[in-house]
Amino acid sequence: AQKITQTQPGMFVQEKEAVTLDCTYDTSDPSYGLFWYKQPSSGEMIFLIYQGSYDQQNATEGRYSLNFQKARKSANLVISASQLGDSAMYFCAMRRTSYDKVIFGPGTSLSVIP
Amino acid sequence: NAGVTQTPKFQVLKTGQSMTLQCAQDMNHNSMYWYRQDPGMGLRLIYYSASEGTTDKGEVPNGYNVSRLNKREFSLRLESAAPSQTSVYFCASSGVAMGTDTQYFGPGTRLTVL
Repeated sequence: AQKITQTQPGMFVQEKEAVTLDCTYDTSDPSYGLFWYKQPSSGEMIFLIYQGSYDQQNATEGRYSLNFQKARKSANLVISASQLGDSAMYFCAMRRTSYDKVIFGPGTSLSVIP
Repeated sequence: NAGVTQTPKFQVLKTGQSMTLQCAQDMNHNSMYWYRQDPGMGLRLIYYSASEGTTDKGEVPNGYNVSRLNKREFSLRLESAAPSQTSVYFCASSGVAMGTDTQYFGPGTRLTVL
């Protein structure tokens, strides 16, 4: 069975500093994808970044990068140069193959301190 | 290009009433999903549809039915609402764009069952 674990229920980071949000996953399938989403207090779900299990390089998208360690089954999100607007809930999610269901971790609450 | 749209945005029901949540996407995605998010928690998959004409149960399907009306539309029906179904409901669709797997969410429906 698939499972996503996010062990940090809450994190604090100083503005302009970098922060890493942890995500570990459990699957026996060789082909899968990993997603990160941001949910601000307004409630919408915002797609941030995607990493495929066969991708050779770590995904990057602006200030977001994904530290993908396949052997350890971890897919940590790194946010560089944190901004006040980064304060939100962050969810890690996984899908085994295309067209399969996507499951989510419990989320990490990030607070950026001025 | 509206992305994923959901109606209604808010709804209050009495126990035992029925209602249908509507979802539509204009990105030509094959896969569509319904999630619920309870306060302070992550998203739990209710049902998903890998393609037009197919639906599958997720983690918490009891008390819900779905219809994949066509490629664009995926509705969620509560036949006899219960207070335990008070939640925020998100519809999502997913597909590959520019080589990247993406999942986009609607704005959510905030449902209260009294």
